[in-house]
Amino acid sequence: SAVISQKPSRDICQRGTSLTIQCQVDSQVTMMFWYRQQPGQSLTLIATANQGSEATYESGFVIDKFPISRPNLTFSTLTVSNMSPEDSSIYLCSAPRYPAGELFFGEGSRLTVL
Amino acid sequence: QKEVEQNSGPLSVPEGAIASLNCTYSDRGSQSFFWYRQYSGKSPELIMSIYSNGDKEDGRFTAQLNKASQYVSLLIRDSQPSDSATYLCAVSKGGADGLTFGKGTHLIIQP
Repeated sequence: SAVISQKPSRDICQRGTSLTIQCQVDSQVTMMFWYRQQPGQSLTLIATANQGSEATYESGFVIDKFPISRPNLTFSTLTVSNMSPEDSSIYLCSAPRYPAGELFFGEGSRLTVL
Repeated sequence: QKEVEQNSGPLSVPEGAIASLNCTYSDRGSQSFFWYRQYSGKSPELIMSIYSNGDKEDGRFTAQLNKASQYVSLLIRDSQPSDSATYLCAVSKGGADGLTFGKGTHLIIQP
């Protein structure tokens, strides 16, 4: 399985601030995916991050709120901008293992916005 | 709209019995199907993947897929208390698509 490292693992943030989550994969992957898991809920795909192009966002998620960078084939960042308490969630980075394309997940970043 | 439906549970099963988890999906273009296990406070862990109709067995786990009925299931034989977790069904159309997850079934194995 792919080894995916995320940081920070958790943080407590003030309303109106922004936080950047980093994700490092131990092998080169074309696509990386960012998910959100709100308390007691399942995973919702935020966006797909491709190296060398802009991220593709799912319905309900916009670049201004969740800007994503993908500078190389092993690294990505997700920024949660202008945070509100509704952004309190676990944010998960994932990457596929080829050739089957099964997704593996990082340990997640638990954000609490006060 | 892509939807994946699961019974949220909790599903309570005696230790040693067979736990049966079910999932239906709406997108007939779905090609890949996955079961993840998620312990409280942890990230999802891949248990099984299945891509063609029929059964796929791995140890105590069996995944079953019926594309005509748009139905995926996971059987856990000889259930153990350590199997107590939330089980997430996920589907994908493949290629550049990410996974669409169901809400998960909370499974409790009673000692």
